[in-house]
Amino acid sequence: ETGVTQSPTHLIKTRGQQVTLRCSSQSGHNTVSWYQQALGQGPQFIFQYYREEENGRGNFPPRFSGLQFPNYSSELNVNALELDDSALYLCASSRDRGSTGELFFGEGSRLTVL
Amino acid sequence: AQSVTQLDSQVPVFEEAPVELRCNYSSSVSVYLFWYVQYPNQGLQLLLKYLSGSTLVKGINGFEAEFNKSQTSFHLRKPSVHISDTAEYFCAVSSPDSWGKLQFGAGTQVVVTP
Repeated sequence: ETGVTQSPTHLIKTRGQQVTLRCSSQSGHNTVSWYQQALGQGPQFIFQYYREEENGRGNFPPRFSGLQFPNYSSELNVNALELDDSALYLCASSRDRGSTGELFFGEGSRLTVL
Repeated sequence: AQSVTQLDSQVPVFEEAPVELRCNYSSSVSVYLFWYVQYPNQGLQLLLKYLSGSTLVKGINGFEAEFNKSQTSFHLRKPSVHISDTAEYFCAVSSPDSWGKLQFGAGTQVVVTP
Protein backbone atom coordinates (compact mmCIF):
# COMPACT_ATOMS: atom_id res chain seq x y z
CA GLU A 1 0.00 0.00 0.00
CA THR A 2 1.63 3.22 -1.11
CA GLY A 3 1.39 6.29 1.05
CA VAL A 4 0.54 9.87 0.20
CA THR A 5 3.09 11.47 -2.10
CA GLN A 6 3.46 15.14 -2.91
CA SER A 7 5.43 16.99 -5.56
CA PRO A 8 7.47 19.05 -5.80
CA THR A 9 9.04 18.89 -2.35
CA HIS A 10 10.49 22.38 -2.57
CA LEU A 11 9.97 25.29 -4.93
CA ILE A 12 10.69 28.99 -5.15
CA LYS A 13 8.43 31.46 -6.93
CA THR A 14 8.20 35.24 -7.16
CA ARG A 15 5.25 37.44 -6.31
CA GLY A 16 2.51 37.40 -8.91
CA GLN A 17 3.41 34.00 -10.32
CA GLN A 18 1.22 30.92 -10.26
CA VAL A 19 2.01 27.51 -8.76
CA THR A 20 0.58 24.00 -9.01
CA LEU A 21 1.18 21.43 -6.31
CA ARG A 22 0.36 17.76 -6.75
CA CYS A 23 -0.76 14.98 -4.46
CA SER A 24 -1.24 11.27 -4.99
CA SER A 25 -3.60 9.83 -2.44
CA GLN A 26 -3.14 6.56 -0.62
CA SER A 27 -4.53 3.47 -2.30
CA GLY A 28 -8.25 3.02 -1.53
CA HIS A 29 -8.79 6.63 -0.47
CA ASN A 30 -11.33 8.83 -2.27
CA THR A 31 -10.89 12.08 -0.32
CA VAL A 32 -8.09 14.62 -0.38
CA SER A 33 -7.74 17.60 1.96
CA TRP A 34 -5.21 20.40 1.60
CA TYR A 35 -3.67 22.36 4.45
CA GLN A 36 -1.34 25.35 4.64
CA GLN A 37 1.23 25.39 7.44
CA ALA A 38 3.03 28.68 7.88
CA LEU A 39 6.31 28.66 9.79
CA GLY A 40 5.76 28.12 13.50
CA GLN A 41 2.00 27.59 13.16
CA GLY A 42 -0.43 24.73 12.97
CA PRO A 43 -1.88 23.62 9.65
CA GLN A 44 -4.85 25.60 8.33
CA PHE A 45 -7.57 23.85 6.32
CA ILE A 46 -7.76 25.09 2.72
CA PHE A 47 -10.32 22.75 1.11
CA GLN A 48 -11.36 19.14 0.69
CA TYR A 49 -12.20 17.13 -2.41
CA TYR A 50 -14.42 14.07 -2.30
CA ARG A 51 -15.02 12.04 -5.45
CA GLU A 52 -13.86 14.92 -7.68
CA GLU A 53 -16.13 17.54 -6.06
CA GLU A 54 -15.13 20.28 -3.61
CA ASN A 55 -16.55 19.33 -0.22
CA GLY A 56 -15.85 22.28 2.02
CA ARG A 57 -13.47 25.20 2.04
CA GLY A 58 -11.63 27.11 4.72
CA ASN A 59 -11.01 30.83 4.91
CA PHE A 60 -8.85 31.14 1.81
CA PRO A 61 -9.40 33.48 -1.17
CA PRO A 62 -10.56 32.23 -4.58
CA ARG A 63 -7.02 32.42 -5.98
CA PHE A 64 -6.55 29.13 -4.12
CA SER A 65 -8.23 26.47 -6.25
CA GLY A 66 -8.06 22.75 -6.66
CA LEU A 67 -8.92 19.70 -8.65
CA GLN A 68 -9.40 16.03 -7.98
CA PHE A 69 -8.99 13.51 -10.75
CA PRO A 70 -10.79 10.19 -11.37
CA ASN A 71 -7.89 8.31 -9.76
CA TYR A 72 -8.41 10.58 -6.69
CA SER A 73 -5.09 12.36 -7.05
CA SER A 74 -5.34 16.09 -6.60
CA GLU A 75 -3.83 19.46 -7.47
CA LEU A 76 -3.68 22.70 -5.55
CA ASN A 77 -3.30 25.84 -7.65
CA VAL A 78 -2.43 29.24 -6.30
CA ASN A 79 -2.60 32.29 -8.56
CA ALA A 80 -1.11 35.74 -8.06
CA LEU A 81 1.29 34.56 -5.38
CA GLU A 82 1.88 36.80 -2.38
CA LEU A 83 4.75 36.75 0.09
CA ASP A 84 2.41 35.40 2.80
CA ASP A 85 1.75 32.32 0.68
CA SER A 86 5.19 31.06 1.70
CA ALA A 87 4.42 27.91 3.69
CA LEU A 88 4.44 24.14 3.80
CA TYR A 89 1.45 22.79 1.89
CA LEU A 90 0.22 19.48 3.18
CA CYS A 91 -2.02 17.04 1.43
CA ALA A 92 -3.98 14.45 3.41
CA SER A 93 -5.94 11.55 2.02
CA SER A 94 -8.70 9.58 3.69
CA ARG A 95 -11.70 7.38 3.04
CA ASP A 96 -15.16 8.91 2.65
CA ARG A 97 -14.43 12.52 3.64
CA GLY A 98 -12.43 11.44 6.68
CA SER A 99 -15.30 9.64 8.38
CA THR A 100 -12.98 6.95 9.74
CA GLY A 101 -11.35 9.68 11.79
CA GLU A 102 -7.88 9.44 10.34
CA LEU A 103 -6.11 11.52 7.74
CA PHE A 104 -2.89 10.29 6.16
CA PHE A 105 -0.54 13.17 5.43
CA GLY A 106 2.15 13.52 2.85
CA GLU A 107 5.47 15.15 3.66
CA GLY A 108 4.43 18.41 2.07
CA SER A 109 5.54 20.88 -0.57
CA ARG A 110 7.53 23.80 0.79
CA LEU A 111 6.77 26.95 -1.18
CA THR A 112 8.91 30.06 -0.87
CA VAL A 113 7.62 33.26 -2.48
CA LEU A 114 10.20 36.00 -3.04
CA ALA B 1 -17.13 27.41 15.18
CA GLN B 2 -14.37 25.43 16.80
CA SER B 3 -10.97 26.39 18.12
CA VAL B 4 -8.04 24.70 19.78
CA THR B 5 -5.59 26.16 22.27
CA GLN B 6 -2.32 24.45 23.07
CA LEU B 7 -1.17 26.06 26.26
CA ASP B 8 2.55 25.45 25.90
CA SER B 9 4.58 26.40 22.86
CA GLN B 10 7.62 24.48 24.02
CA VAL B 11 8.14 21.76 26.61
CA PRO B 12 11.69 20.75 27.56
CA VAL B 13 11.91 17.35 29.25
CA PHE B 14 14.64 14.96 30.30
CA GLU B 15 14.86 11.48 28.85
CA GLU B 16 12.80 8.88 30.79
CA ALA B 17 10.80 11.63 32.53
CA PRO B 18 7.03 11.96 32.06
CA VAL B 19 5.52 14.61 29.83
CA GLU B 20 2.08 16.19 29.55
CA LEU B 21 1.00 18.40 26.67
CA ARG B 22 -2.07 20.47 27.30
CA CYS B 23 -4.90 21.06 24.84
CA ASN B 24 -8.17 22.89 25.35
CA TYR B 25 -10.89 23.26 22.77
CA SER B 26 -14.06 25.23 22.27
CA SER B 27 -17.01 24.01 20.28
CA SER B 28 -20.77 24.37 20.28
CA VAL B 29 -21.29 20.85 18.93
CA SER B 30 -20.00 17.35 19.51
CA VAL B 31 -16.31 17.07 18.85
CA TYR B 32 -13.79 14.59 17.67
CA LEU B 33 -10.29 15.14 18.99
CA PHE B 34 -6.90 14.17 17.66
CA TRP B 35 -3.22 14.41 18.46
CA TYR B 36 -0.73 14.42 15.59
CA VAL B 37 3.07 14.41 15.70
CA GLN B 38 5.35 16.07 13.17
CA TYR B 39 9.00 15.12 13.04
CA PRO B 40 11.44 17.55 11.38
CA ASN B 41 10.87 17.92 7.64
CA GLN B 42 8.05 15.42 7.63
CA GLY B 43 4.27 15.38 7.39
CA LEU B 44 1.91 14.72 10.27
CA GLN B 45 1.33 11.29 11.80
CA LEU B 46 -1.72 10.42 13.89
CA LEU B 47 -0.87 9.53 17.50
CA LEU B 48 -4.39 8.93 18.75
CA LYS B 49 -8.00 9.99 18.33
CA TYR B 50 -11.16 10.32 20.37
CA LEU B 51 -14.40 9.78 18.48
CA SER B 52 -16.66 8.35 21.19
CA GLY B 53 -16.68 5.83 24.01
CA SER B 54 -13.99 5.58 26.67
CA THR B 55 -12.54 8.94 27.57
CA LEU B 56 -9.06 7.48 28.04
CA VAL B 57 -7.50 6.89 24.66
CA LYS B 58 -4.30 4.98 24.06
CA GLY B 59 -2.21 5.67 20.99
CA ILE B 60 1.03 4.71 19.37
CA ASN B 61 4.50 4.99 20.89
CA GLY B 62 3.17 4.80 24.47
CA PHE B 63 1.11 7.99 24.34
CA GLU B 64 -2.34 8.37 25.86
CA ALA B 65 -4.85 11.18 26.22
CA GLU B 66 -7.94 11.81 28.29
CA PHE B 67 -11.05 13.54 26.99
CA ASN B 68 -12.59 15.75 29.67
CA LYS B 69 -15.85 17.23 28.44
CA SER B 70 -16.50 19.39 31.51
CA GLN B 71 -13.08 21.02 31.23
CA THR B 72 -13.08 20.92 27.41
CA SER B 73 -9.62 19.42 27.48
CA PHE B 74 -7.74 16.63 25.74
CA HIS B 75 -4.29 16.49 27.32
CA LEU B 76 -1.62 14.15 25.96
CA ARG B 77 0.67 12.19 28.28
CA LYS B 78 3.58 9.80 28.14
CA PRO B 79 5.02 8.28 31.32
CA SER B 80 8.60 8.04 30.05
CA VAL B 81 9.94 9.87 27.00
CA HIS B 82 12.78 8.94 24.67
CA ILE B 83 15.11 11.14 22.68
CA SER B 84 13.17 10.06 19.59
CA ASP B 85 10.03 11.77 20.96
CA THR B 86 11.58 15.14 20.13
CA ALA B 87 9.06 16.60 17.68
CA GLU B 88 6.18 19.06 17.25
CA TYR B 89 2.83 17.89 18.59
CA PHE B 90 -0.50 19.20 17.34
CA CYS B 91 -3.92 18.91 18.90
CA ALA B 92 -6.83 19.07 16.46
CA VAL B 93 -10.62 19.05 16.53
CA SER B 94 -13.38 18.28 14.06
CA SER B 95 -17.08 17.52 14.30
CA PRO B 96 -19.61 15.15 12.73
CA ASP B 97 -20.53 17.71 10.10
CA SER B 98 -16.92 18.49 9.21
CA TRP B 99 -15.20 15.17 8.81
CA GLY B 100 -11.63 15.53 7.67
CA LYS B 101 -11.65 19.32 8.10
CA LEU B 102 -9.45 19.59 11.12
CA GLN B 103 -8.90 22.71 13.18
CA PHE B 104 -5.35 22.52 14.55
CA GLY B 105 -3.73 24.20 17.49
CA ALA B 106 -0.49 26.12 17.13
CA GLY B 107 1.60 23.16 18.25
CA THR B 108 3.86 22.25 21.15
CA GLN B 109 7.54 21.64 20.53
CA VAL B 110 8.85 18.83 22.75
CA VAL B 111 12.61 18.76 23.24
CA VAL B 112 13.96 15.69 25.00
CA THR B 113 17.48 15.90 26.40
CA PRO B 114 19.64 13.17 27.95
